[in-house]
Formats: sequence, structure tokens, C-alpha cells
Amino acid sequence: QQQVKQSPQSLIVQKGGISIINCAYENTAFDYFPWYQQFPGKGPALLIAIRPDVSEKKEGRFTISFNKSAKQFSLHIMDSQPGDSATYFCAAALDRGSTLGRLYFGRGTQLTVWP
Amino acid sequence: GAGVSQSPRYKVAKRGQDVALRCDPISGHVSLFWYQQALGQGPEFLTYFQNEAQLDKSGLPSDRFFAERPEGSVSTLKIQRTQQEDSAVYLCASSLEELGFSYNEQFFGPGTRLTVL
Repeated sequence: QQQVKQSPQSLIVQKGGISIINCAYENTAFDYFPWYQQFPGKGPALLIAIRPDVSEKKEGRFTISFNKSAKQFSLHIMDSQPGDSATYFCAAALDRGSTLGRLYFGRGTQLTVWP
Repeated sequence: GAGVSQSPRYKVAKRGQDVALRCDPISGHVSLFWYQQALGQGPEFLTYFQNEAQLDKSGLPSDRFFAERPEGSVSTLKIQRTQQEDSAVYLCASSLEELGFSYNEQFFGPGTRLTVL
């Protein structure tokens, strides 16, 4: 059972455009929501993360929007660049009081930004 | 190096062979995770160590999979009698503090790509 559902599976965006990737979850015990970026042959690298006590977090061109009532969160990449072409994973983790701190990943979105 | 390292980077095994995959976490990191990433999928949790203690192994797909971290640093994931469905990238991640204290970023290694023929 997929704990975190991610869409779209692939995304093609023109340089300078906005890339939007969406995720949804069911488990209300999740309280940490990171986004990871993965290039071919590399391990995932943390891009940005949010906790459910805020509705938005922005770091440079990357913004997470979080809707706790809908149990959804999304990644927005502004002014997308060819160097952003990678696979993006949303993830979720149980609350920090738990020793079960594994990350539950979505299936990934292959982003291609073309000039 | 300052990051998580894994070896070998690539491993080809014949069906039925045993393999051992190594992970060197970031020095001083208490928590260590193993994930399995099938082609075109997100990583799936296998097991978690806090220092040398294996606190969660609920993600290991079968008793052919075994992991250890005897001295609380380097970890080895062993797969016995490999099957074709074991073909995947095996990722190791480490985190500075133990779970339950606070949530810390997991730093991933580059992975070991295992191909079982």
C-alpha cells in the first residue's frame, strides 16, 4: 500500500516556467514532509522540507505548499532551469516521538526542463 | 570524504549467489537506514539501526536479507541466494541523531546497483 501518492509521473516544462508536483498522504501521524532530488547514478538529496504547523515554506526558487486538512502537499519550482532536470520524490515520516522514523517515499516525478 | 559511501557501486550476481553490500555512513552519525529502490520507483525502507542496535527490520522482504552494524559505524547488507526480483539499487542513509529525539535529515549514499541474472 502506497503511503504517499505522487503525481504526475513525468513532467516536461519549458525553461523559465513553473514546475508543480503534487503529493497526497493518508496517515495523519506523519509530521515531516521532505522533498528529495535525485540525479541519475546518485542518491536522493534533500531539497526542502516542511512540518504541518506551517502552510508554506520557500527556499530560493523552491516552495512547498501544505494543506493539512486535505492531506496534500506540493512542490513548486519557479523559473525552472535545465539543471533542474532530475527525479523528484516527496516523502513523509512519522512524528519525531517515534522510533519508526523511516521515510515513506512517493513513486517519483521525472522532470525535464528544455531550453 | 564527508558523505555516505557505498561499495561496490555495481554488482552482478548469478541467481542463487550470496552478495554483501557495504555502507560507510558519515562519521558520528547515530542512525543508519537501508532502502531498496526498484527501477522507476521511490526508495522503500528495509531496516534501521541506532548505533549497533537494529531497531526496525520490518521492511526486509524475506529471511534471505540480513543486515548488521556490529560496531555502530559501517553496515553490511547481505542477501543470500539472490533472486531476479532482488535486482534494484540499494541505498544507505545516515542521520546525526537517534529517532525519537528530533527529526534529522537523512543523507543518502550513491547506492549499489545489484543485477541478478
